[in-house]
Amino acid sequence: DGGITQSPKYLFRKEGQNVTLSCEQNLNHDAMYWYRQDPGQGLRLIYYSQIVNDFQKGDIAEGYSVSREKKESFPLTVTSAQKNPTAFYLCASSPLPGELFFGEGSRLTVL
Amino acid sequence: SQQGEEDPQALSIQEGENATMNCSYKTSINNLQWYRQNSGRGLVHLILIRSNEREKHSGRLRVTLDTSKKSSSLLITASRAADTASYFCATARMDSSYKLIFGSGTRLLVRP
Repeated sequence: DGGITQSPKYLFRKEGQNVTLSCEQNLNHDAMYWYRQDPGQGLRLIYYSQIVNDFQKGDIAEGYSVSREKKESFPLTVTSAQKNPTAFYLCASSPLPGELFFGEGSRLTVL
Repeated sequence: SQQGEEDPQALSIQEGENATMNCSYKTSINNLQWYRQNSGRGLVHLILIRSNEREKHSGRLRVTLDTSKKSSSLLITASRAADTASYFCATARMDSSYKLIFGSGTRLLVRP
């Protein structure tokens, strides 16, 4: 089935640790995105990538890093520099500027 | 920064009634989109309206766009309990159409 797969669904991290969230798509979409959602809030853009080997910062990129070495993969690393990382993280892709297709999300909790 | 802001923040209606949600934004846009999110899940795209369009329909959904007022509305007719979800508007700016900015959402509760 075509779609976007995020893993893990739930992740627990100790303070000071880096963690990487996986996002894979088999839709052959050029663009991929990472958003953060806090409880009862909207989505805030962390990073996005329009093509392989290129990505741009969104509104809240500090404390996060990404890579886009393959068209189908866009992993997000939450570094220890992110002061408040507990949140719901959503990955999305799109074939061109327009409709986004979302994964089911990864919930990160800092212990 | 939030480009779109929805109103109301929460809405509770009886099954069969219509639900109207509004979205306001700040800058010129290429298009405006509406998404739905069930609790704890990913978002699902509902409808996209381009800046040169004024109204669009999809099943029980009707979206309007007023670029002079920088606002949009989403109407869900004959609501069902299964429509209970959060609804978000998202805007793509003219100068950066890949960068989709979401509002804070409207939480809709449809009572059976």
